[in-house]
Amino acid sequence: DAGVIQSPRHEVTEMGQEVTLRCKPISGHDYLFWYRQTMMRGLELLIYFNNNVPIDDSGMPEDRFSAKMPNASFSTLKIQPSEPRDSAVYFCASSRAGLNQPQHFGDGTRLSIL
Amino acid sequence: AQSVTQLDSHVSVSEGTPVLLRCNYSSSYSPSLFWYVQHPNKGLQLLLKYTSAATLVKGINGFEAEFKKSETSFHLTKPSAHMSDAAEYFCVVTLGGGTSYGKLTFGQGTILTVHP
Repeated sequence: DAGVIQSPRHEVTEMGQEVTLRCKPISGHDYLFWYRQTMMRGLELLIYFNNNVPIDDSGMPEDRFSAKMPNASFSTLKIQPSEPRDSAVYFCASSRAGLNQPQHFGDGTRLSIL
Repeated sequence: AQSVTQLDSHVSVSEGTPVLLRCNYSSSYSPSLFWYVQHPNKGLQLLLKYTSAATLVKGINGFEAEFKKSETSFHLTKPSAHMSDAAEYFCVVTLGGGTSYGKLTFGQGTILTVHP
């Protein structure tokens, strides 16, 4: 079975540029999550979707961040304009509905903003 | 409110010796608990989960964990460490109380080093 697929795996860009991260969840999963991982703050939940609808975006750090899920098989996380402090590893995860369902993670996008 | 505390930030063992990674949790509801492993430059991989069935849970790669409600613990063990076990391990608890999905609360992580 294909897992959660993220692209690109690595992104290096200059501050001020727009960055778009992409995620394909596991087929049949109702929930999709975006996380950010840094050494200082660990794993932080940014936003999650249920059936393509954003449910909780309280973890999105500021208005420069936006996320969309136009269909059940694709989601994007966009940063515009990007800043050096956005440098981190961004993970996408998906799960089936249900309190006990584990989340399945992609391999992440390592983002470096110069 | 819920929280999870991993008692050791680093654990170092020799290959072939037992592994113990400690985790304590607090939760207002009956929790679901998970252990995830993260290898360098990879995402988190589910090792095992506890969901109020058997208190001793067996996972992949020879790992197991025991849920002890009286001690609010969910420690991860393996009888014999392998070099490939070197990674970071996360203890995770879900929010209970009527939600339709498990919002994860992560521990701080424990880095396991395995020496030859």
